[in-house]
Amino acid sequence: KAGVTQTPRYLIKTRGQQVTLSCSPISGHRSVSWYQQTPGQGLQFLFEYFSETQRNKGNFPGRFSGRQFSNSRSEMNVSTLELGDSALYLCASSLGVGNQPQHFGDGTRLSIL
Amino acid sequence: AQSVTQLDSHVSVSEGTPVLLRCNYSSSYSPSLFWYVQHPNKGLQLLLKYTSAATLVKGINGFEAEFKKSETSFHLTKPSAHMSDAAEYFCVVSVMEYGNKLVFGAGTILRVKS
Repeated sequence: KAGVTQTPRYLIKTRGQQVTLSCSPISGHRSVSWYQQTPGQGLQFLFEYFSETQRNKGNFPGRFSGRQFSNSRSEMNVSTLELGDSALYLCASSLGVGNQPQHFGDGTRLSIL
Repeated sequence: AQSVTQLDSHVSVSEGTPVLLRCNYSSSYSPSLFWYVQHPNKGLQLLLKYTSAATLVKGINGFEAEFKKSETSFHLTKPSAHMSDAAEYFCVVSVMEYGNKLVFGAGTILRVKS
């Protein structure tokens, strides 16, 4: 069974640009969550989607948004990029709700110049 | 609110000796607890989970953890360290009332000396 797939693996952008990251969950998983990992702040929850609906949101500005498609694939968008957005962005999928264990992809490394 | 404290940012052990990574949690509700491992430039791999069944939880690669409610602890142990165990380990809490949101500890980097 294929794991969680995130594309692209690496991305370089400049300040002010926008970026879209993609996540394909494990087949049959309907919940997708996104996390930001930085050396200073550690791992922080961005948002969670289930059945194309955002169920939960972390404390990030509105520049960070996401969506989920009917096949459970998810995208995350960051607009007006700032230097501080440089991070590893991780996607995780799970079967559904109720403390199901989450399975992570290898992440997208975003660097802002 | 939920929070996780990993008591050591770095742990160094010799190959073949026991591993102990310490974790304390705080939660207003009955928590689920997890340990994840992250190797360099990789995502997180689930080692084990506690979800209110047995308090001693066995995971992959010989790791286990014991849930102690009275001490609000969930320490990770392994009897004998292997070189391949060198990685960063995260203790994680989630509460059903908050959906699938995971709250991570700051991480413990495990170094294994030959």
